[in-house]
Amino acid sequence: AQTVTQSQPEMSVQEAETVTLSCTYDTSESNYYLFWYKQPPSRQMILVIRQEAYKQQNATENRFSVNFQKAAKSFSLKISDSQLGDTAMYFCAFGGGGSEKLVFGKGTKLTVNP
Amino acid sequence: DGGITQSPKYLFRKEGQNVTLSCEQNLNHDAMYWYRQDPGQGLRLIYYSQIVNDFQKGDIAEGYSVSREKKESFPLTVTSAQKNPTAFYLCASSIWESSGANVLTFGAGSRLTVL
Repeated sequence: AQTVTQSQPEMSVQEAETVTLSCTYDTSESNYYLFWYKQPPSRQMILVIRQEAYKQQNATENRFSVNFQKAAKSFSLKISDSQLGDTAMYFCAFGGGGSEKLVFGKGTKLTVNP
Repeated sequence: DGGITQSPKYLFRKEGQNVTLSCEQNLNHDAMYWYRQDPGQGLRLIYYSQIVNDFQKGDIAEGYSVSREKKESFPLTVTSAQKNPTAFYLCASSIWESSGANVLTFGAGSRLTVL
């Protein structure tokens, strides 16, 4: 079974600085998808970014980018120019690899300080 | 606007009572999901449904039941058999892709508290 590990329960960063959230996963499959979801204090989860395992290029969405290291099974999220609105729980998730279900990590609580 | 509506937002239940959480989507998504969120536990899948009149158990289905009579609706019943039902419940939907590429759209959640 696939597992997703987020080793940083909580992190903080100063506004305008860069922060990286870690995620590792375990799978024996070669085709799969990785996701980062954001849950702000309002509790409404939204997709931040998605990476397809067969693509070498790291996905980017504006200030959000990933560092996908397939051999190391690592999928970190980098937030540049952090803003107060980035304060949220961030969940890493794994999809595919023979399973119909997404597997979520336990989350990292990020606080952006003014 | 398209989206997912969960109701009620807050719900209180006495021990021994069944309660039903509503989830409605107007995104024309085939797949719908129920997750439970507890502090420090992440999201755990309760049930999911790929098509109308069909659903599968997730990782923590015991004490819960669902139905999928309409494409847009996927209600979750928390039964008295659920020993620790106090939690935050999230409903989600997606276009169904067996490859695992499903991008989930979430509702705003329902907070259930057992008194």
